[in-house]
Amino acid sequence: DTGVSQDPRHKITKRGQNVTFRCDPISEHNRLYWYRQTLGQGPEFLTYFQNEAQLEKSRLLSDRFSAERPKGSFSTLEIQRTEQGDSAMYLCASSLGGDPQYFGPGTRLTVL
Amino acid sequence: DQQVKQNSPSLSVQEGRISILNCDYTNSMFDYFLWYKKYPAEGPTFLISISSIKDKNEDGRFTVFLNKSAKHLSLHIVPSQPGDSAVYFCAASALGVGNEKLTFGTGTRLTIIP
Repeated sequence: DTGVSQDPRHKITKRGQNVTFRCDPISEHNRLYWYRQTLGQGPEFLTYFQNEAQLEKSRLLSDRFSAERPKGSFSTLEIQRTEQGDSAMYLCASSLGGDPQYFGPGTRLTVL
Repeated sequence: DQQVKQNSPSLSVQEGRISILNCDYTNSMFDYFLWYKKYPAEGPTFLISISSIKDKNEDGRFTVFLNKSAKHLSLHIVPSQPGDSAVYFCAASALGVGNEKLTFGTGTRLTIIP
């Protein structure tokens, strides 16, 4: 069990550019979640998948955000036309059924 | 609308003593509660959870208490150790209605004084 991994750990980009983040969940976990955390706040839910199906999206997830989980394994989160307000830590978590969610180390995004 | 509240932004405790972190919630649909610990530049680490059918769950030095009527839960750490210094987040979900997303509080920074 190698835990949840995320890549890259840090991303600096210019406003208007597109970015893509990857999450590899714990191998037997069927559920995968994306959260966003800003300074001084707890993580906020963005979206989640059961296997390859995206089951829920937060209203925080604007049209510029898209997430996929092809084949029910790894997931990608893409942000198009980044804005300074997108600067945050993007966290991925996975779980098996209703068991606790285990988080990866996060991707810190800075939009200049 | 903050559905999960941690009203103490910070807490300092002497090494060896008990640390008590508190959390309140407003959503009656929440039925599963978790505590996570977070170090800087890392993701949250799961510590302990409790279902609403219980009022106490214990794992080593960590005990979580749930008071459903008061919509309050607490995490007790005893004895506190320097490695416990971190930010602690309370989180809740409504598994009973199929809502698995976690709603987090804003965190409490715990500092253990040697």
